[in-house]
Amino acid sequence: EAGVAQSPRYKIIEKRQSVAFWCNPISGHATLYWYQQILGQGPKLLIQFQNNGVVDDSQLPKDRFSAERLKGVDSTLKIQPAKLEDSAVYLCASSLGRDWRTDTQYFGPGTRLTVL
Amino acid sequence: KQEVTQIPAALSVPEGENLVLNCSFTDSAIYNLQWFRQDPGKGLTSLLLIQSSQREQTSGRLNASLDKSSGRSTLYIAASQPGDSATYLCAVFTGRRALTFGSGTRLQVQP
Repeated sequence: EAGVAQSPRYKIIEKRQSVAFWCNPISGHATLYWYQQILGQGPKLLIQFQNNGVVDDSQLPKDRFSAERLKGVDSTLKIQPAKLEDSAVYLCASSLGRDWRTDTQYFGPGTRLTVL
Repeated sequence: KQEVTQIPAALSVPEGENLVLNCSFTDSAIYNLQWFRQDPGKGLTSLLLIQSSQREQTSGRLNASLDKSSGRSTLYIAASQPGDSATYLCAVFTGRRALTFGSGTRLQVQP
């Protein structure tokens, strides 16, 4: 079974530039998550999708971050414009989304973003 | 607001030692607690999931316990090996359908 795929693996940009990350979840997984992990901290949820609908985006900085999951499969996360404090690893995860009490999330390798 | 704390932040042990990693959380109204492993430059791998009604879960040399009333969980690793070197993250699920993570314990097992 293929895991969660993410690209690119690394990205370096100047502040105020824009950047986009792509995630392909495990086939059949209804729930998709984007997390931000700053160095030395645990991941923090940015947005959660159930199929192609948003379940929770309360911690997404909507003035600069946007995400979409068209057709309920792949997802893209965009930052425009980027700030220095956006430097982090962006992790995508997916889960079956059937029983949230026992739902296990499977994580992709992440995209390491450096904003200069 | 749920907060998850992991102690110690870093740990170095010789190979073969048994060790315990600690996790505490402030809101005991959780549905489950999960332990993850993160290797450098890689994503997270789920190790164990304990439902709120359970006291412990075991997988191979790993044993995780949960005391929901006191807001604590421990991850016990038996007979540690150099391949166990990684960061171990604890996360709780509180029903908002999002995991709240601790900052992790960075483990180094010396050969």
